Amino acid sequence: QSVLTQPPSVSAAPGQKVTISCSGSSSNIGNNYVSWYQQFPGTAPRLLIYDNDKRPSGIPDRFSGSKSGTSATLGITGLQTGDEADYYCGTWDSSLSAGVFGGGTKLTVL
Amino acid sequence: EVQLVESGGGLIQPGGSLRLSCAVSGFDVSSNYMTWVRQAPGKGLEWVSVIYRDGTTYFADSVKGRFTFSRDSSENTLYLQMNSLRAEETGVYYCARGASAYGPWGRGTLVIVSS
Repeated sequence: QSVLTQPPSVSAAPGQKVTISCSGSSSNIGNNYVSWYQQFPGTAPRLLIYDNDKRPSGIPDRFSGSKSGTSATLGITGLQTGDEADYYCGTWDSSLSAGVFGGGTKLTVL
Repeated sequence: EVQLVESGGGLIQPGGSLRLSCAVSGFDVSSNYMTWVRQAPGKGLEWVSVIYRDGTTYFADSVKGRFTFSRDSSENTLYLQMNSLRAEETGVYYCARGASAYGPWGRGTLVIVSS
């Protein structure tokens, strides 16, 4: 049972837009920055979004992040088959004094 | 070039100990927050531990008292000492730069806890 809640799967057609939600509480998302990660099978995760809505260099602007209250959202526009991967949200939990992740969302590009 | 390379994984019996290493190049580990994350086979990411620039460490409740996170500035290497290992701790262990946003990551090292 993950501290952060993500939908297990989402799907959309190539070229379309998809959003992935991440729900938490005041001790984590509500008072800390959120980050997002992309992971392909058999490889290490890659940082997509940090500080809620910032993209590291090299991450296309098709990827965006937002936060409102105790929830965060990852948006991906212009979907490509190469975007099929698992996506995770993460943040710090001030009550646990520990990092926390969502359970992950599998994106399928139909 | 920034690179993180984990090593030290392998097959260990339940109750045993293992020390993982994360050799870093391209930046100083002592000047950065560094984190260990693990992933059980077919499962999601699980945060394990962080070390701050001042050496302060935090651990997931599940490993508290059994794992130790340290660093060697001269070798620019991180270490995760894991004691009293359990079968459910089987998985790939990654090191990454950062304390609340993690990147870049190493490729990971596989730990198998089994008799």
